[in-house]
Amino acid sequence: DVKVTQSSRYLVKRTGEKVFLECVQDMDHENMFWYRQDPGLGLRLIYFSYDVKMKEKGDIPEGYSVSREKKERFSLILESASTNQTSMYLCASSYLLGTKNTGELFFGEGSRLTVL
Amino acid sequence: DQQVKQNSPSLSVQEGRISILNCDYTNSMFDYFLWYKKYPAEGPTFLISISSIKDKNEDGRFTVFLNKSAKHLSLHIVPSQPGDSAVYFCAASYSGTYKYIFGTGTRLKVLA
Repeated sequence: DVKVTQSSRYLVKRTGEKVFLECVQDMDHENMFWYRQDPGLGLRLIYFSYDVKMKEKGDIPEGYSVSREKKERFSLILESASTNQTSMYLCASSYLLGTKNTGELFFGEGSRLTVL
Repeated sequence: DQQVKQNSPSLSVQEGRISILNCDYTNSMFDYFLWYKKYPAEGPTFLISISSIKDKNEDGRFTVFLNKSAKHLSLHIVPSQPGDSAVYFCAASYSGTYKYIFGTGTRLKVLA
């Protein structure tokens, strides 16, 4: 079974704090993604990575950065957390689209971040 | 610009009846579509997918229909069960990209 593990299920941080969200996958997937989910807005892509040290901005990258030093690990960093970053953060991984399996995304359990 | 739209935020269905969830898209380059189910406080789980070379794909109680000319897909759940109560997201992608575009979700409630 594919497993995508997010380090923290629930976090509470203060405005201005630096926040790290970690994600690890065990299926040797090339692609990894960070989404945030907000009511009425669905899942919006923050960043994705298609290889070690490679990253591309998604639709809402402002206020975030990412790091992928190893294939299995993809970190999301909030340099200075703000209240509008309170959200559910979802990490996902996949094979290259169209090369293996169904191209589906495998999601972690999510990290609920509250910024006070 | 919302490229993938789920215009019904919620849907209630009686147990045993059919649930039909709809999704519209605007980008004609999309050639791969997926449906995900999400329970509260959990990550989305994959349900079923369809590529643009097909117009139907079935997996047990779940069937996805694709109408390319109308840029519309739908997920049918028959028969609906209370455990199907969740938020359903459709997503779209196209060859040569790593990106998946998600809709805003439809909350399905199956009444016992």
